[in-house]
Amino acid sequence: GDSVTQMEGPVTLSEEAFLTINCTYTATGYPSLFWYVQYPGEGLQLLLKATKADDKGSNKGFEATYRKETTSFHLEKGSVQVSDSAVYFCALSVEDDKIIFGKGTRLHILP
Amino acid sequence: EAGVAQSPRYKIIEKRQSVAFWCNPISGHATLYWYQQILGQGPKLLIQFQNNGVVDDSQLPKDRFSAERLKGVDSTLKIQPAKLEDSAVYLCASSFAGEETQYFGPGTRLLVL
Repeated sequence: GDSVTQMEGPVTLSEEAFLTINCTYTATGYPSLFWYVQYPGEGLQLLLKATKADDKGSNKGFEATYRKETTSFHLEKGSVQVSDSAVYFCALSVEDDKIIFGKGTRLHILP
Repeated sequence: EAGVAQSPRYKIIEKRQSVAFWCNPISGHATLYWYQQILGQGPKLLIQFQNNGVVDDSQLPKDRFSAERLKGVDSTLKIQPAKLEDSAVYLCASSFAGEETQYFGPGTRLLVL
């Protein structure tokens, strides 16, 4: 079935470091891909999305490119801040607007 | 714009007791979702409503879980009787009909002792 696999955390980085969180997917159709973020004590928020191959989603300095050939949607940021500390979920959407989430990656940024 | 509202934020019950969660979606959102998020895992869809009709409840444990959205606006999710393994965060989300982007509430954290 359709699924999402993302790198396990926690990931701990120093402020201003480069971030990559890997995400790969399995889908029978042509899914849309998402990154959601969950800040401490808050609900999930959509961070960015891409709806077709080679699309790049971006928001708040984060980027991810829909790579159909490698079935990947890796999240990157050039210079992380303490305020980026959160749990990041990679997800895909197939028919009927259902979203399938990965297990999440906890990110800690040290000042 | 007001977001998705959920209550209560926290609930502690003993096993075999019943519990209910409430969700008020964003105004105008026809689609409403309930998810279960167990610690260390991603959210898992329990049930999806379109207005007051059920679109998908294939992952809802119907022997103990029930949900309704009688007037097509707010919704309640009930567990009766609760089991230890029901300890999780219950998330409500909503979206416009046919729209992929879902908006999530803050969740209700349930602990079953």
